[in-house]
Amino acid sequence: RKEVEQDPGPFNVPEGATVAFNCTYSNSASQSFFWYRQDCRKEPKLLMSVYSSGNEDGRFTAQLNRASQYISLLIRDSKLSDSATYLCVVILLDTGRRALTFGSGTRLQVQP
Amino acid sequence: EPEVTQTPSHQVTQMGQEVILRCVPISNHLYFYWYRQILGQKVEFLVSFYNNEISEKSEIFDDQFSVERPDGSNFTLKIRSTKLEDSAMYFCASNDLAGSEQYFGPGTRLTVT
Repeated sequence: RKEVEQDPGPFNVPEGATVAFNCTYSNSASQSFFWYRQDCRKEPKLLMSVYSSGNEDGRFTAQLNRASQYISLLIRDSKLSDSATYLCVVILLDTGRRALTFGSGTRLQVQP
Repeated sequence: EPEVTQTPSHQVTQMGQEVILRCVPISNHLYFYWYRQILGQKVEFLVSFYNNEISEKSEIFDDQFSVERPDGSNFTLKIRSTKLEDSAMYFCASNDLAGSEQYFGPGTRLTVT
């Protein structure tokens, strides 16, 4: 089983649409969770951290369900500039590990 | 805004040659990392470095790989004898606290022919 699993997409949505991405992780000891964004042939950039209580940053909302080992990202009012690959990322801090474990990413294409 | 820099942006080398990829992490950061991304695949962890020593490495980071912090600013990844399958984008990252946001450099595209 993959450590971090995502639907690869692509998700093709019109401008203004709401789109949701899901991610599951296999290791219940995972401690920190993030969504990163990666544009084509560029480096990953942090979009937002994901907290147990859920958190929102403008048009972006992230949720964490530890019992189901499930993370989600909701994007409202999609913009053309949101087109990118969205990477679900976890860290296993309890083992002292600080490395990021990445999912394969979900590609989003927002169309005019 | 401080940023992680990497050189070169693109390196082409022949199989069996040694390459050194260079990174300058953000100046007050303490933890340094190398990741790689083969074209079309996910980002994979290679190695982390703290307090002048390797703190963690993945199964990918075998004897062909080494890392060094030769001075107060540079952080290098050396591949001793490159293979075709080493062709990938190599990203350097750094952060100031364990578990905090890791800032990535723009990457070095390594092409092994």
